[in-house]
Amino acid sequence: ETGVTQTPRHLVMGMTNKKSLKCEQHLGHNAMYWYKQSAKKPLELMFVYSLEERVENNSVPSRFSPECPNSSHLFLHLHTLQPEDSALYLCASSQDSSGAYNEQFFGPGTRLTVL
Amino acid sequence: GQNIDQPTEMTATEGAIVQINCTYQTSGFNGLFWYQQHAGEAPTFLSYNVLDGLEEKGRFSSFLSRSKGYSYLLLKELQMKDSASYLCAVVDSNYQLIWGAGTKLIIKP
Repeated sequence: ETGVTQTPRHLVMGMTNKKSLKCEQHLGHNAMYWYKQSAKKPLELMFVYSLEERVENNSVPSRFSPECPNSSHLFLHLHTLQPEDSALYLCASSQDSSGAYNEQFFGPGTRLTVL
Repeated sequence: GQNIDQPTEMTATEGAIVQINCTYQTSGFNGLFWYQQHAGEAPTFLSYNVLDGLEEKGRFSSFLSRSKGYSYLLLKELQMKDSASYLCAVVDSNYQLIWGAGTKLIIKP
């Protein structure tokens, strides 16, 4: 495996379900990110981890819970979601979380549909 | 507030040239990225500009004017595979990435 991988690629869940999204990066990077991408809207940064420490949480509802057990893996735990949470969830990694030239490498995303 | 503006959608013909504009108002500036995103796929890096001027990379070029808060991505000799969304993102004074909503480019034969 190379780059950034995400599983599952597609997920349909009810509002009472609990599910988790998984991201893995094989680039030796120190920073990982969760983004939400909705149609015709800018990417919304949800969480940033640097060396497994959360450095940013952009006022995301508590029904989204991130976990970063090591610098290569990132999870997003989902609980009692709302239909408006349906979107593409993208994971990204970069060498570091700060600095001007901080190219981010993205995974293919998980297409989430909440019924 | 911080804002990135890009056209929502553009259409161009195979073999032609297209310019996708991006204007920004941000708290500080530490560089501007362009990413390409095919439908259902990951965004991929195209270019990074931090100084004024034109950066050329094959069929793609990116231009920056910091005084005008303006950038464009120029795609030459368009191919059908260039049909994608093109995302503009600015690094602000806190080194945070501020993203535009993206421009969907449709290439017609």
